[in-house]
Amino acid sequence: AQKVTQAQTEISVVEKEDVTLDCVYETRDTTYYLFWYKQPPSGELVFLIRRNSFDEQNEISGRYSWNFQKSTSSFNFTITASQVVDSAVYFCALKSILQGAQKLVFGQGTRLTINP
Amino acid sequence: DVKVTQSSRYLVKRTGEKVFLECVQDMDHENMFWYRQDPGLGLRLIYFSYDVKMKEKGDIPEGYSVSREKKERFSLILESASTNQTSMYLCASSFQGFGQPSTDTQYFGPGTRLTVL
Repeated sequence: AQKVTQAQTEISVVEKEDVTLDCVYETRDTTYYLFWYKQPPSGELVFLIRRNSFDEQNEISGRYSWNFQKSTSSFNFTITASQVVDSAVYFCALKSILQGAQKLVFGQGTRLTINP
Repeated sequence: DVKVTQSSRYLVKRTGEKVFLECVQDMDHENMFWYRQDPGLGLRLIYFSYDVKMKEKGDIPEGYSVSREKKERFSLILESASTNQTSMYLCASSFQGFGQPSTDTQYFGPGTRLTVL
């Protein structure tokens, strides 16, 4: 069975602090993809990043960075110098190629609040 | 830009009513999905479709049905709405391809918050 766990239900920090959102996944498949989505108060899920299981390189995009470690089955997301606009619910998701048909398994989400 | 639209942002219905939620995407995506989102449970897949007139059950299909008569449109139907179907409903779409960057990423609509009284 596939599973994604986001143990942090809610995080609250002060603006300009760095914050890391944890994501741990379970799968028996060797080929899979991991995703992060952002859901601002407007409700629409916004795609942030997609990583495949063969590429463990960390990725940085502006203030966002992602740390993928297969050894610990984790795909953590760090926001550097957080801003109020980063306040949202963030979802980590897993898709296995072998499960077919593009099924995504989502974590429970982490609500991030950035206080001015 | 990928555009996925949903017919209503907010909907209030009564128990027993038949409810239609509509989703339209403009990127010629083969795959379309319906999820529901509940606090503490994340997103759960209700149904998905990989082609016109094709559908497959997701993890929680009970109480729902779907219709895909045209490639761009995917409808979720609550045959007889119940209070436990009060939720946020999210539609998504994606290309069919595997392994290509951004081709199988799912893109989401703004959601419909349904309240069943």
